[in-house]
Amino acid sequence: EPEVTQTPSHQVTQMGQEVILRCVPISNHLYFYWYRQILGQKVEFLVSFYNNEISEKSEIFDDQFSVERPDGSNFTLKIRSTKLEDSAMYFCASSEANLDQPQHFGDGTRLSIL
Amino acid sequence: KNQVEQSPQSLIILEGKNCTLQCNYTVSPFSNLRWYKQDTGRGPVSLTIMTFSENTKSNGRYTATLDADTKQSSLHITASQLSDSASYICVVSAMTGTASKLTFGTGTRLQVTL
Repeated sequence: EPEVTQTPSHQVTQMGQEVILRCVPISNHLYFYWYRQILGQKVEFLVSFYNNEISEKSEIFDDQFSVERPDGSNFTLKIRSTKLEDSAMYFCASSEANLDQPQHFGDGTRLSIL
Repeated sequence: KNQVEQSPQSLIILEGKNCTLQCNYTVSPFSNLRWYKQDTGRGPVSLTIMTFSENTKSNGRYTATLDADTKQSSLHITASQLSDSASYICVVSAMTGTASKLTFGTGTRLQVTL
């Protein structure tokens, strides 16, 4: 069964550094998402992406964050200047359509900011 | 503010027993309600998706119910197995323009023991 893959599985970065998290969504999916989960807390929506543009973003997704689909397969989340509070598990997800379709999640990238 | 509340927070049951997890939500405009299973260290996996007009939906030993009038949902697990040990997350989708935005509950952590 096709799956969403994320790399790296664990990223350790110094505060203030830029970090790029990578995702390969399922190939025929059209909608892409990023979520984060701070340790011990619930999953939080960051951003949705369709047709090469952001369709929805949360208040968490400020100017420090950006997303890109640089080619036909990758979907990336960039954090420009990381802060300690950015430490979390970041999940990428994709779906065939937006309404009433399951979102398929990757296994996440654990981001640790030192 | 959109919110999803789940109960109990955690639950321990014996293998072979049944259990029911609860979800209450205040999300508007409501699009659908989803139940996800999240194993430790993995991404969430979709179990069921229910729209406004659906009262019940099954996926193997998992049966979800939805009462859109009272804004409540339940997930019933029949004949539990050790592999059912995981967090079960209730997620409600709100339709905003062309995008859907997911609000996650904090989850119920289920442990199935011998």
